[in-house]
Amino acid sequence: AQTVTQSQPEMSVQEAETVTLSCTYDTSENNYYLFWYKQPPSRQMILVIRQEAYKQQNATENRFSVNFQKAAKSFSLKISDSQLGDTAMYFCAFMKRGGGADGLTFGKGTHLIIQP
Amino acid sequence: DSGVTQTPKHLITATGQRVTLRCSPRSGDLSVYWYQQSLDQGLQFLIQYYNGEERAKGNILERFSAQQFPDLHSELNLSSLELGDSALYFCASSVEASGRNGELFFGEGSRLTVL
Repeated sequence: AQTVTQSQPEMSVQEAETVTLSCTYDTSENNYYLFWYKQPPSRQMILVIRQEAYKQQNATENRFSVNFQKAAKSFSLKISDSQLGDTAMYFCAFMKRGGGADGLTFGKGTHLIIQP
Repeated sequence: DSGVTQTPKHLITATGQRVTLRCSPRSGDLSVYWYQQSLDQGLQFLIQYYNGEERAKGNILERFSAQQFPDLHSELNLSSLELGDSALYFCASSVEASGRNGELFFGEGSRLTVL
């Protein structure tokens, strides 16, 4: 079974700053996907960014980028020029390629607060 | 809007009761997943259906059951409810059995409160 660990229960930064959220995972699989999901107060789970394990290039989506270190099993999310609307719970998640009995395995989440 | 519809959005019931949560996946999606989000357990995968058939089972209690109907909507049945079943229940859908590139689309969730 896979495990996903997010060691920062809560983080707070000023608007326009850059913030990095940490995530580590443990798996014996070689082919998998990693994700960051955002859950704002509306509670909708929104996909922020996705990384395929076989791709060495780090994924980027506008202000969001990841630092994927496969050997270290680390997958951090960097948010540049943070905005008030980025305030939310952020979940790191793992899925084995092909799905399987574990579906998406989530970390416990990091509550990110962007201060004005 | 993800295109995944869940009803009801909120539900309050008593211990020992039975409830049914409903999920309509995005148009064209064949796969439906159910997740439970609680404060102590976080987000837990419950079960997955693909085109009407159970495909994967996670941490789903025996008191819980699910099915996917021919029109691809899914229902999660929770019976003999306990206080600890109070949680947010998410449905997610994807086109393929394992998700297109792993991507799942989540509904807004059904908030269940057991008193």
